[in-house]
Amino acid sequence: DTEVTQTPKHLVMGMTNKKSLKCEQHMGHRAMYWYKQKAKKPPELMFVYSYEKLSINESVPSRFSPECPNSSLLNLHLHALQPEDSALYLCASSQGGNRGTYEQYFGPGTRLTVT
Amino acid sequence: GENVEQHPSTLSVQEGDSAVIKCTYSDSASNYFPWYKQELGKRPQLIIDIRSNVGEKKDQRIAVTLNKTAKHFSLHITETQPEDSAVYFCAASRNSGYSTLTFGKGTMLLVSP
Repeated sequence: DTEVTQTPKHLVMGMTNKKSLKCEQHMGHRAMYWYKQKAKKPPELMFVYSYEKLSINESVPSRFSPECPNSSLLNLHLHALQPEDSALYLCASSQGGNRGTYEQYFGPGTRLTVT
Repeated sequence: GENVEQHPSTLSVQEGDSAVIKCTYSDSASNYFPWYKQELGKRPQLIIDIRSNVGEKKDQRIAVTLNKTAKHFSLHITETQPEDSAVYFCAASRNSGYSTLTFGKGTMLLVSP
């Protein structure tokens, strides 16, 4: 199984709402990532988890809060978002570890619209 | 940090022609260079990658070359088909247990029948 799954596929939320995005992989990967992708732009790295620990936060505003409950799951909690946060949010995973392979596999993404 | 430049931004070819997309990177410590294909509304899909200890890699109609001295790598697609039409992203990464990909801005490839 080389698949990364994400839910929901689409999400519309108001600026005062709280919502969460979920990502799951069962490939035994120990590194997981959140990216943000605006239309006609490349993915931009937001967070990296390695062995369930937050390793990189690319200066992301605190209204985005990541969580890694276990080695298969990655969440992104959203609160008080702005309309400019509307984008495709992609999760990815890779084997991790210094002897692991480097390939990152992406999930299908959650299309987020903030109204 | 790493900076990746990608050219051209758009590329139109006839079916059967070859297509070449070029990228340059700035961080000499980068050691992993993947290429992703993204169709409209779909996820980025890894199509080929190369590590810094290899100069060239081929997989059927797709090949990637790497020139570490010039900090330059390229994607070559031969015998293009309409289903090759998509946006292609190059990326560079310095790996240390995980890979922090920095992407180029993408190339929209259009293959006309």
